[in-house]
Amino acid sequence: GAGVSQSPRYKVAKRGQDVALRCDPISGHVSLFWYQQALGQGPEFLTYFQNEAQLDKSGLPSDRFFAERPEGSVSTLKIQRTQQEDSAVYLCASSFDWEQYFGPGTRLTVT
Amino acid sequence: AQSVTQPDIHITVSEGASLELRCNYSYGATPYLFWYVQSPGQGLQLLLKYFSGDTLVQGIKGFEAEFKRSQSSFNLRKPSVHWSDAAEYFCAVGAGQTGANNLFFGTGTRLTVIP
Repeated sequence: GAGVSQSPRYKVAKRGQDVALRCDPISGHVSLFWYQQALGQGPEFLTYFQNEAQLDKSGLPSDRFFAERPEGSVSTLKIQRTQQEDSAVYLCASSFDWEQYFGPGTRLTVT
Repeated sequence: AQSVTQPDIHITVSEGASLELRCNYSYGATPYLFWYVQSPGQGLQLLLKYFSGDTLVQGIKGFEAEFKRSQSSFNLRKPSVHWSDAAEYFCAVGAGQTGANNLFFGTGTRLTVIP
């Protein structure tokens, strides 16, 4: 079946703008994860959902970051008042048991 | 706290040569360890994992890794590298109740393969 998809694939935002990044997980996958990957770095955990419940948001870097998964399927990561340091690739992953399947990511550039 | 160290930022090998990518981890409990590969513009793909049992694990694309608790290492190996193996490789340790809820990644090793 289809893998994890993310949209948009590329996003350019001016500093101070709000952005919304979408993740469509693999159908039937209970768990959904968001990671942030800065240039030249490994992915860093942001937040984790089990169905619609956000069980861990310890990795969200500030209160400008907000994630939701209202129906336990599609998830949106929202960043308010974007800053230059938010420039990164945002990866989404979903899983049914332990293996996380990653999407291609959204590259966010804040100018 | 969990952490992963990949000491080699960039490795260059000749096609057909053997490969070893190093990974050291820090974790208070029994670690759940993973190796992922990331090609340009692609998502992360799981190569192999270690949860328990046999410390030598086999993965896809001819890769294997050995868990050494005494050295806190989980090095990735391949006996003969192909040009298509050129990519970024990430080692990760899993935390959380199932050991895979939150993945902590190293900074990655970029592999270049020369003909």
